[in-house]
Amino acid sequence: QKEVEQDPGPLSVPEGAIVSLNCTYSNSAFQYFMWYRQYSRKGPELLMYTYSSGNKEDGRFTAQVDKSSKYISLFIRDSQPSDSATYLCAIDAGGTSYGKLTFGQGTILTVHP
Amino acid sequence: GAVVSQHPSWVICKSGTSVKIECRSLDFQATTMFWYRQFPKQSLMLMATSNEGSKATYEQGVEKDKFLINHASLTLSTLTVTSAHPEDSSFYICSASRGHLWGDEQFFGPGTRLTVL
Repeated sequence: QKEVEQDPGPLSVPEGAIVSLNCTYSNSAFQYFMWYRQYSRKGPELLMYTYSSGNKEDGRFTAQVDKSSKYISLFIRDSQPSDSATYLCAIDAGGTSYGKLTFGQGTILTVHP
Repeated sequence: GAVVSQHPSWVICKSGTSVKIECRSLDFQATTMFWYRQFPKQSLMLMATSNEGSKATYEQGVEKDKFLINHASLTLSTLTVTSAHPEDSSFYICSASRGHLWGDEQFFGPGTRLTVL
């Protein structure tokens, strides 16, 4: 079993749709949860990070963490064509392993006008 | 925002040669740098962690003699792929962090695409 499993997609949605991206993880020791956006042939860019269960909002993006279910989600409201990219969840165990990120497989999102 | 650059962005080499990839933090000092590898349509896999002035720590399954990492200064880390073979063809991405604490975000470089013929 992979430590982090991400719905592979791909997803194709119309402009303005709400997008839901999801990951599950197996290790209850994981402490920090992040979502990255990666455009083609570019490095990942941090979108959201959190360390507690619950929701965190930033503009059109909401990150949700449920530690009891080991489930994390990213919601994008009013999606735009510029949101088209690969979205990666990433998890950090923290402690002495801090910074060693374990990534999900990535979900390719296409938002069409 | 913090900027991390990589050079070259794209390299083609013959099998058996060595290739050096540079990762630079342009506007901050990076205590820690990370090297990742990403195969097509797959996610990033951490290869190694390097702290300035120390030997790199490699993840399980990564050959330290094949992937030489040097972090000689707080703004530069290099990855050398020695005796490269076609199976080493991949997208190599570095990231840099100011420190070891939560909140010390990792900033990723744009990546280097290596093709070994």
